[in-house]
Amino acid sequence: DAGVTQSPTHLIKTRGQQVTLRCSPISGHKSVSWYQQVLGQGPQFIFQYYEKEERGRGNFPDRFSARQFPNYSSELNVNALLLGDSALYLCASSLFGGRAGTYYEQYFGPGTRLTVT
Amino acid sequence: KQEVTQIPAALSVPEGENLVLNCSFTDSAIYNLQWFRQDPGKGLTSLLLIQSSQREQTSGRLNASLDKSSGRSTLYIAASQPGDSATYLCAAYSGGGADGLTFGKGTHLIIQP
Repeated sequence: DAGVTQSPTHLIKTRGQQVTLRCSPISGHKSVSWYQQVLGQGPQFIFQYYEKEERGRGNFPDRFSARQFPNYSSELNVNALLLGDSALYLCASSLFGGRAGTYYEQYFGPGTRLTVT
Repeated sequence: KQEVTQIPAALSVPEGENLVLNCSFTDSAIYNLQWFRQDPGKGLTSLLLIQSSQREQTSGRLNASLDKSSGRSTLYIAASQPGDSATYLCAAYSGGGADGLTFGKGTHLIIQP
């Protein structure tokens, strides 16, 4: 079975531009989470989506938004890019999610490397 | 707010040695703790998941322990091999409103052949 897939693999954008990253979860998984990993740091939680609804949000500005589609794939959008947005963006899928206090093992994709110049 | 710390930040040992990686967390009210491996420029591979009711988990040469009362977890790697070279990350799930994992910065491990 295919794991979590993300596209594109690499992306170079200019400050002020907008970017869309894509994620396809493992077949049967209904929850998708997004994380940002800056070089030398651990990943930081951005969003969790379950059944097409936002179920959790980390401490990120409103320039970051996401959505989940009926087939459970997801997009992460970042507007007005800043140099500090340069990072590896990771997507993780799990069987279920969205209820505080209930954790289902997350499986991560290979990530999208975003460089903002 | 949960904070996760990993010590050491980097470690280099000869092949064949047994080693221990440390992870500490500030909020002991976690639901579980997960250890991941990350190869350079790649995504995360889950190694072990310890539920809050468990004390340890084992997979092959890996053993992870959890002590909630002291806010600590350790990852034990037996008979290390060059292929074990990677960054090891621990992450805690606290079940808070954000509903995401809180990661440490990782331990960069190099196994010398």
